[in-house]
Amino acid sequence: SYVLTQPPSVSVAPGQTARITCGGNNIGSKSVHWYQQKPGQAPVLVVYDDSDRPSGIPERFSGSNSGNTATLTISRVEAGDEADYYCQVWDSSRGVFGGGTKLTVL
Amino acid sequence: EVQLVESGGGLVKPGGSLRLSCAASGFTFSSYSMNWVRQAPGKGLEWVSSISSSSSYIYYADSVKGRFTISRDNAKNSLYLQMNSLRAEDTAVYYCARDWGAARLIDPWGQGTLVTVSS
Repeated sequence: SYVLTQPPSVSVAPGQTARITCGGNNIGSKSVHWYQQKPGQAPVLVVYDDSDRPSGIPERFSGSNSGNTATLTISRVEAGDEADYYCQVWDSSRGVFGGGTKLTVL
Repeated sequence: EVQLVESGGGLVKPGGSLRLSCAASGFTFSSYSMNWVRQAPGKGLEWVSSISSSSSYIYYADSVKGRFTISRDNAKNSLYLQMNSLRAEDTAVYYCARDWGAARLIDPWGQGTLVTVSS
C-alpha cells in the first residue's frame, strides 16, 4: 500500500516561513491535498491539487509537488497557524493520509 | 451553506455493532462521492471508506474490510456506516466528508462523532 511520510513536528518563529514535507514514491505523479486541523476541530482543506487554494485560505499558504516530495509552505507564519497538518492522496481509489505534522509557532 | 452532521456514535462492547449516519445539506448530495475518515484519540487521520454518487463504486481500508459497510440514501441526503465486529482499535472520532473534483479533494468535513469500543 502507498505510504506518505511527514515529519512529526516543525517549529518556526512568527513571521518566518514554515515548510512541511510529505514524502511518497513518485508522489509528483499524484495530486496532493493538505489539511489543517486545530485541537478539537475537524480538518480544513488549505491546499488542493498540489498548489491551489480554496477560497478563504490566505495566500500565505502554498504548495508544490515534484519527484518524491510534496511541500506545504506557510509564509509569514502567525500564531493562529499552529495546528496539525496532513497531506493526502488517492491511490488505487483509496484515500491515503500522511501521519501528520504538528506545527509549533515559537 | 454546505453542512455535514454525523450521529450515531457511542459506547459499544467489543464484538458489537453500531450504525453511523451523516445528514447532508446545502448541496446536491446525489452528485458527490462521500467518505468516512476516522481519527483515534491522539492519532492521525485514517481514511475508512468511500462511496460514489450512485453507489456503483465502494472502497474500504484493509483495516475495516469485511466488518464495515458504507451506504447512502440519496433521497434522504444521508450517508451511513454500518460497523460490525467492533474492536478496541476502532475507537475513534468518525468524520463524514465529501470529495469532489477530478483530484478528489476532501471538503468539507462534518464535526465528527465519537465511537468508543470498550468492555
